[in-house]
Amino acid sequence: DAGITQSPRHKVTETGTPVTLRCHQTENHRYMYWYRQDPGHGLRLIHYSYGVKDTDKGEVSDGYSVSRSKTEDFLLTLESATSSQTSVYFCAISESGTGSDYNEQFFGPGTRLTVL
Amino acid sequence: GQNIDQPTEMTATEGAIVQINCTYQTSGFNGLFWYQQHAGEAPTFLSYNVLDGLEEKGRFSSFLSRSKGYSYLLLKELQMKDSASYLCAVTPTGSARQLTFGSGTQLTVLP
Repeated sequence: DAGITQSPRHKVTETGTPVTLRCHQTENHRYMYWYRQDPGHGLRLIHYSYGVKDTDKGEVSDGYSVSRSKTEDFLLTLESATSSQTSVYFCAISESGTGSDYNEQFFGPGTRLTVL
Repeated sequence: GQNIDQPTEMTATEGAIVQINCTYQTSGFNGLFWYQQHAGEAPTFLSYNVLDGLEEKGRFSSFLSRSKGYSYLLLKELQMKDSASYLCAVTPTGSARQLTFGSGTQLTVLP
């Protein structure tokens, strides 16, 4: 199994509070991603990183920010949590295949976030 | 933009064969992935298709037709442990390694 951990695994917080989720990898993979998964919507990309300090927005980035100061860590921050951000959050990592865009992603165990 | 369609739910019997379809419309296309996700767990990689045709891997096979924007995942000799959600995902061209996922097909295998 790819070495990916997420912390915390479960969190309950209140509307308006800041929340930071951490993804840590031991694979030295270049690319890291944050997704949210909601019933009926599948996995939707929030933000991704293609290197230290290099990040970009995904499909549902509003209300979220990210930082990557080290190869192994990718942080997702909800500056002021809202009930619509209640979801399961998955981190993923990948390393591009040689000479192609092959992009198998390995997923962390997920963080279940509840915003009351 | 991207649009990926899969059936929401399917039911099959242990020992049978089931085919899960996926159609996609994207602004560009590099390849298609299938992932398996058991309830409460992370998605795990099953297969990748970039060229037209069938890729076989044990009890699982995946087919791709680029001209039709169509793929299917074929599961043979179904087992109870195959009850899971199956996610279709595409890599568009120029996507900086992004994946766009369908909503997933929840497969229930009955005894």
